[in-house]
Order: sequence, then structure tokens, then C-alpha cells
Amino acid sequence: EVQLVESGGGLVQPGRSLKLSCAASGFTFSDYNMAWVRQAPKKGLEWVATIIYDGSRTYYRDSVKGRFTISRDNAKSTLYLQMDSLRSEDTATYYCATHADWELWYFDYWGQGVMVTVSS
Amino acid sequence: IQMTQSPSLLSASVGDRVTLSCKAGQNINNYLAWYQQKLGEAPKLLIYNANSLQTGIPSRFSGSGSGTDFTLTISSLQPEDVATYFCQQYNSWTTFGAGTKLELK
Repeated sequence: EVQLVESGGGLVQPGRSLKLSCAASGFTFSDYNMAWVRQAPKKGLEWVATIIYDGSRTYYRDSVKGRFTISRDNAKSTLYLQMDSLRSEDTATYYCATHADWELWYFDYWGQGVMVTVSS
Repeated sequence: IQMTQSPSLLSASVGDRVTLSCKAGQNINNYLAWYQQKLGEAPKLLIYNANSLQTGIPSRFSGSGSGTDFTLTISSLQPEDVATYFCQQYNSWTTFGAGTKLELK
């Protein structure tokens, strides 16, 4: 059974940093491109970042470029999101998700999500 | 690419045929997915490539459309289908619609 379990969320002040983790199991993690998708309270879904299966390439939405870093440790089957210079508009539930296809960016498995609140 | 879903709220009765709409701001070919999100849960993939049913999803769900206009149809609404439904384009990067909240009448 595929499982994705996020951790590391919490309350953080604007301008500070936070690092999210996503522990994967039930599939060969190193074969899959992975993504972070977020959802602000009572809002829609927003793709944040993607990392290729071997970590060789990363992609970000414009609003987080230069502030967020997606990475992975295939030996530990774990995905990360380092979030620096956090802003109030980054407040959201963050989901890790598997890309269902190497070239097509839809997501077939999702974690339960972790809440990040940016507030003073 | 802007994705516009309508209606934003839909009330229907058990057994009804329900149709949700998603319009893309430009041609996205068939690169469209639909997700179901129940309250407090993660999204679940229902349909990909506009009309392909994800494994394990009941056959009462179906997707159709191409180009800019797409539809998710539930042939006979069940109580467990109460949820918010999102469409997603992945023709150019990826963007989601704002969602349609489906409730029981």
C-alpha cells in the first residue's frame, strides 16, 4: 500500500524558515518524480515544486523561486521542502504527491497533508 | 493557464445525474485531470487525460471533453460523493480550478 506521511509543519514567524519532510513507503520511491502541492485555508490547490526521480532537476512556481528548495533522499525514501523567507501568503496545508507519469503532471497518490501557518 | 470551474456550489439529490464543468483559458488538448476532496482529506485522483478512469474509482464517474471544455459526470449521485471537485490542467506546467462543492439537496 502506498503511503506518504508529511511532517515538520507548524507556526512560524514571517521571514523565518521551516523544513517539511515526506516519508514514502509501499512503492519504489526512486522511480517516481515527486511534488509538493499546497492549499491555503478554504482555497483551491496550488502546485509548488517538483523534483525528478533522481534529483537531477527541480521546478518551482514563480512565487516560491529563490525561497523554497525541494530535495529528496532516495536511500531514505524521503522528500523534503526547505522553506525560507516565509510570508503570510505561504500559510497552507502542504501535500506531497507522486507524479503518476514521468512526462504528464497529474498526481496519483497524496499524503494527508501538513499545516504551515506563517504569522507573527 | 486559467481554469474556470462551474458552478462553484451544486446541490443534488441521491440518484441524480450530476455534471460539473471545467473550462481552460486556452487549448490544453486532453491534459486534464479531476480530483475529489472530501472534508479534511487529501485529494483523490478520479480521472486523467480527460476521460481515463483511475484504477479503483467507481464507474459512475466519467470524464469527457477536449480542447478547452471539459465535464465530469456522476451518473447516479451517492451520499459518499459529497465533496469538492477540482480540475487540473497539465498541458503547460500545471494549474488547478477553484473547485465545485457538491452537496446533497
